[in-house]
Amino acid sequence: GAVVSQHPSWVICKSGTSVKIECRSLDFQATTMFWYRQFPKQSLMLMATSNEGSKATYEQGVEKDKFLINHASLTLSTLTVTSAHPEDSSFYICSASREVGNNEQFFGPGTRLTVL
Amino acid sequence: DAKTTQPPSMDCAEGRAANLPCNHSTISGNEYVYWYRQIHSQGPQYIIHGLKNNETNEMASLIITEDRKSSTLILPHATLRDTAVYYCIVPSFDGGSQGNLIFGKGTKLSVKP
Repeated sequence: GAVVSQHPSWVICKSGTSVKIECRSLDFQATTMFWYRQFPKQSLMLMATSNEGSKATYEQGVEKDKFLINHASLTLSTLTVTSAHPEDSSFYICSASREVGNNEQFFGPGTRLTVL
Repeated sequence: DAKTTQPPSMDCAEGRAANLPCNHSTISGNEYVYWYRQIHSQGPQYIIHGLKNNETNEMASLIITEDRKSSTLILPHATLRDTAVYYCIVPSFDGGSQGNLIFGKGTKLSVKP
């Protein structure tokens, strides 16, 4: 159990367009979902934390108007990269936790975004 | 938040035990130690966590020193599929009930035939 999926697994888009990435917890209800970004040869960087029905909490330096997070239900969160630019090209990974206060997070397989 | 220190890389022979160390000398009394790993181009995978007692599950064992300032993750019989970057994390709390996972550089474990 505790499977998290992401869609799409990879996407290539033109500069200036917007891209939406979906994150779903398939067999559990997630109390909290997290979005990370990982550049080549670097570690994961937490971008934001979101709870169902409330606004996401963004980490310092992450533009909330550029990276729109919608957490519509206990099993779905979406990240929209608006007006994408080549420097936004990265590996975006979501995770979900199923219990408040438990830091066991279940990660999705990631989405590779390439902006031309 | 408690910082962790890990060696950047380690090698292990296939079938042997892999012992991955982690220092967390500033850990406080109620903070847990979590271990995750990331195989290349995949999302991280939870391995194990502990507070003060040693823990074991189907993937690994976690040995925490009595003073809790360091721990060791043990993969008892490493296989080639265990080649990954291993992260030792002490979640930080911002006053809420959910800690954030701050990923450091981890240890790149290479299991060799």
